[in-house]
Amino acid sequence: AQSVTQLGSHVSVSEGALVLLRCNYSSSVPPYLFWYVQYPNQGLQLLLKYTTGATLVKGINGFEAEFKKSETSFHLTKPSAHMSDAAEYFCAVSDRRGAQKLVFGQGTRLTINP
Amino acid sequence: DGGITQSPKYLFRKEGQNVTLSCEQNLNHDAMYWYRQDPGQGLRLIYYSQIVNDFQKGDIAEGYSVSREKKESFPLTVTSAQKNPTAFYLCASSIAGTYGYTFGSGTRLTVV
Repeated sequence: AQSVTQLGSHVSVSEGALVLLRCNYSSSVPPYLFWYVQYPNQGLQLLLKYTTGATLVKGINGFEAEFKKSETSFHLTKPSAHMSDAAEYFCAVSDRRGAQKLVFGQGTRLTINP
Repeated sequence: DGGITQSPKYLFRKEGQNVTLSCEQNLNHDAMYWYRQDPGQGLRLIYYSQIVNDFQKGDIAEGYSVSREKKESFPLTVTSAQKNPTAFYLCASSIAGTYGYTFGSGTRLTVV
């Protein structure tokens, strides 16, 4: 069975600082990996995804993530945090077989300090 | 514009009553999903459907039911058998054979 662990339920950074949100996954087969962002009382919006090819993936709003198979990780980064980045972030994994079900992590709430 | 519409945004029901949450999409997506979101637990899959007139249970299907009579619609009924129904419910859809969902804006259900 697949699973996702997001390290840190709450991360706080200063405006302009590096954002690093950690995600580790467990999967018996090469996974597809995703990061989603959720603003209060809204649905989830896709930030970026890794399916095949280049392991460094660039997404919207200046975010990027790197797939590291040896570490089973898919950490999300942004060089310089902006106040508008404050939201909840979810990492998700899907295997390449059968139904396209996504398994989500518990979420990380990102707070930006002025 | 294409998208997924969930209605209503907020829903209040008395304990013991069944309630149906609406999910409609005009994206021509084949697959549709229902997730439940609780604080600190991420999203958990309730039911999913890959084609019309077919659906499968997810990880937490007990106390819920669905139907998929039309490609565009995937309503979720929260029955009185669901022991703790108060939560934020999210509907999503995707194109068959691709990965990554489009989400609706959610329905917050409160049972009193």
